[in-house]
Amino acid sequence: GAVVSQHPSRVICKSGTSVKIECRSLDFQATTMFWYRQFPKQSLMLMATSNEGSKATYEQGVEKDKFLINHASLTLSTLTVTSAHPEDSSFYICSAIQPDRTEAFFGQGTRLTVV
Amino acid sequence: GQQLNQSPQSMFIQEGEDVSMNCTSSSIFNTWLWYKQDPGEGPVLLIALYKAGELTSNGRLTAQFGTTRKDSFLNISASIPSDVGIYFCAGNTNAGKSTFGDGTTLTVKP
Repeated sequence: GAVVSQHPSRVICKSGTSVKIECRSLDFQATTMFWYRQFPKQSLMLMATSNEGSKATYEQGVEKDKFLINHASLTLSTLTVTSAHPEDSSFYICSAIQPDRTEAFFGQGTRLTVV
Repeated sequence: GQQLNQSPQSMFIQEGEDVSMNCTSSSIFNTWLWYKQDPGEGPVLLIALYKAGELTSNGRLTAQFGTTRKDSFLNISASIPSDVGIYFCAGNTNAGKSTFGDGTTLTVKP
């Protein structure tokens, strides 16, 4: 299957700082990538849809100025958590779909802890 | 918004037993997907279903896309300890956006 790589796998940052998470499709070009957030013992909640070369589409209730998404190439999307606070601590996961396909392949996830 | 009802929430079974879990929705999806997630990892795709009524197998796993396009089930036969994890169903629209169920936590006792 298609491989999606996410980096870093874990990050600890101080409150008020910004953190960037990268999502790469390693063996295919992904025109669309998705960013999810998962709290402990809960399901995945879609945050935003990232389209190459255009602005991301955010789900209701997700602050676009706080969670900056950049999809600058067909193999890379980044999520930047700006001015992070402890309540932003969570597991962030990206996924990508191949052109003309609908099934998504997920990255390994990033555990963000804001102290 | 779209919601998926996944059941059961958790299962405790003996090694060798068969397992069945399912998802239902009030909305129609074009694709049903089943994922497994291990602690601290991203979900791994197990089976993808594209057509209503489709029955697909992947080793000991079998999944079906309901004829109404509003439900799907996943069966695991002859469970083994490494089957432990959280299983998620997901429904996709044409845009590839996934709506996830709440997950089924599977525990397999040796």
